[in-house]
Amino acid sequence: QSVLTQPPSASGTPGQRVTISCSGSSSNIGSNTVNWYQQLPGTAPKLLIYSNNQRPSGVPDRFSGSKSGTSASLAISGLQSEDEADYYCAAWDDSLNGPFYVFGTGTKVTVL
Amino acid sequence: EVQLVESGGGLVQPGRSLRLSCAASGFTFDDYAMHWVRQAPGKGLEWVSGISWNSGSIGYADSVKGRFTISRDNAKNSLYLQMNSLRAEDTALYYCAKELRFGELSGPFDYWGQGTLVTVSS
Repeated sequence: QSVLTQPPSASGTPGQRVTISCSGSSSNIGSNTVNWYQQLPGTAPKLLIYSNNQRPSGVPDRFSGSKSGTSASLAISGLQSEDEADYYCAAWDDSLNGPFYVFGTGTKVTVL
Repeated sequence: EVQLVESGGGLVQPGRSLRLSCAASGFTFDDYAMHWVRQAPGKGLEWVSGISWNSGSIGYADSVKGRFTISRDNAKNSLYLQMNSLRAEDTALYYCAKELRFGELSGPFDYWGQGTLVTVSS
């Protein structure tokens, strides 16, 4: 089963804008919506963005998502120290043996 | 308040079996699909399996298909994962997760437990 490809790391200084990419295929991102999860060190993942660009209640509007074709991206504007975490994109995959849920490879965001 | 509490993890020898449980509370359990997601030490997230609200739709990752079985007991508000023929590569923290929307396997997952650690080693 395929995974979604993310850069292993991203960084920025407080207040900067950071963008994370997520590359998939026609059977996953190309056919379904994208979700993003944030995992702070030592904790369970938390839903950050769903349906490409929707924020659950309580998620700051500094976080935004978008999708185009078989790729998606997460943007963090006004970067804060508490944003230092691992970020994962995810989507359902409609391959022949599926459906199944695929996660991205993960991106570690460091606040410099 | 939604709570998901996993249990059943531990140290097990390769080839043996283990059964994980997830006790759910704070929501109408039988309205939602549920999932197991795992994370090997220092690695990323891997979806393991999901089950719809009425057990009518079930999915497995290729890496566990034929070895793991997901099930649920709506009367007990509980989710299970029967893991057979365990391998070293199954060593991970196993999370139970709830879907955001009613019913079928459609993602995303809005609540997660804290996980139960499974270590497969001789």
